[in-house]
Amino acid sequence: EDQVTQSPEALRLQEGESSSLNCSYTVSGLRGLFWYRQDPGKGPEFLFTLYSAGEEKEKERLKATLTKKESFLHITAPKPEDSATYLCAVQAPSGTYKYIFGTGTRLKVLA
Amino acid sequence: EPEVTQTPSHQVTQMGQEVILRCVPISNHLYFYWYRQILGQKVEFLVSFYNNEISEKSEIFDDQFSVERPDGSNFTLKIRSTKLEDSAMYFCASGRDGSTDTQYFGPGTRLTVL
Repeated sequence: EDQVTQSPEALRLQEGESSSLNCSYTVSGLRGLFWYRQDPGKGPEFLFTLYSAGEEKEKERLKATLTKKESFLHITAPKPEDSATYLCAVQAPSGTYKYIFGTGTRLKVLA
Repeated sequence: EPEVTQTPSHQVTQMGQEVILRCVPISNHLYFYWYRQILGQKVEFLVSFYNNEISEKSEIFDDQFSVERPDGSNFTLKIRSTKLEDSAMYFCASGRDGSTDTQYFGPGTRLTVL
């Protein structure tokens, strides 16, 4: 069964303390891996799309990387405004367009 | 920047009543989706829609649910007879292309069934 697991479930960082969030997946044929940010009571906000192992994408303090089994979201020198839940989703083999989401990592950055 | 919009932001209904959740996808997108998120749980796929028909649906999307694109801009989700367990955030998403394309999500409708 296709599955996405994110760790840790929750993470507290001091402002400026860099860290990484993990998304491991088991799908029979990955077509895309997507990172979203979700603020409380809001919809997922798109961050990155990764398609193949070795690919990296960067945006401000965030950098996403992809291997054949997992993806990392690296947060460099985070600020309090980076506090949110970060969601990982995968799009499985052709024939389906649906995303399969992980449960997310709740990030809290303390000033 | 174009975005997906949803109305209402919060809907309260009595068990057994019908509700219609509305979405306006991004204008040049062709693929439309509904997902839901029960409080504290993961986002779950409900249905995908392309070329005026359902292309895929999950086990959650039973006969109580239906989707429609009544005109060139709106995309709706109808729940015919709501149950307590339908209480959740419902997200609409759209994408230009179905295959490997990014899906952009709306802000959600919080449905509360009493």
